[in-house]
Amino acid sequence: NAGVTQTPKFQVLKTGQSMTLQCAQDMNHEYMSWYRQDPGMGLRLIHYSVGAGITDQGEVPNGYNVSRSTTEDFPLRLLSAAPSQTSVYFCASSYDGGAGDEQFFGPGTRLTVL
Amino acid sequence: AQSVTQPDIHITVSEGASLELRCNYSYGATPYLFWYVQSPGQGLQLLLKYFSGDTLVQGIKGFEAEFKRSQSSFNLRKPSVHWSDAAEYFCAVVKAGNMLTFGGGTRLMVKP
Repeated sequence: NAGVTQTPKFQVLKTGQSMTLQCAQDMNHEYMSWYRQDPGMGLRLIHYSVGAGITDQGEVPNGYNVSRSTTEDFPLRLLSAAPSQTSVYFCASSYDGGAGDEQFFGPGTRLTVL
Repeated sequence: AQSVTQPDIHITVSEGASLELRCNYSYGATPYLFWYVQSPGQGLQLLLKYFSGDTLVQGIKGFEAEFKRSQSSFNLRKPSVHWSDAAEYFCAVVKAGNMLTFGGGTRLMVKP
């Protein structure tokens, strides 16, 4: 079991560029989510998905798109990167999204937007 | 609105000393509370969680936490800190479904 994997580990973009952060899990989890981590602010939820074909917005969704075509993958798209999106991004998954589920986190992607 | 506050941004303790990390929450009902640890350059790992019942919960790596409803607190404790405990610690509360609201984190440094 690889758990939750994220690629790339590091990325530098110029303002206005687009990119996709990849996230995959091999635990057959229904629930997947994306967080961003900024100093002093903990992690904030960007988007989440309760299953293939179903996505919804979290606390800070602006500037990000997601889709969930398979159970395993949950990519995060930045359509036009902005310096305010410089952050560390974490993908997480849990069994079915119940309140008691443990969320398993990937190792993160450190994104810098110049 | 639910929120989680970790009053201490940085804490330094000597190896072998006891540790208490503070967490306060605001929530209208019985909260589901979590503590996560993040080692440098790593993702988050669950230390322990509280849903209901016994207010003292045991976690991994020798950590425990006590839920105190009257104080809206869920403080993390460890009797004797090891150098490998140096990391950032996050308290979190579940919002709807499985959506976590995190505190700002406390960075723990351990002196030899």
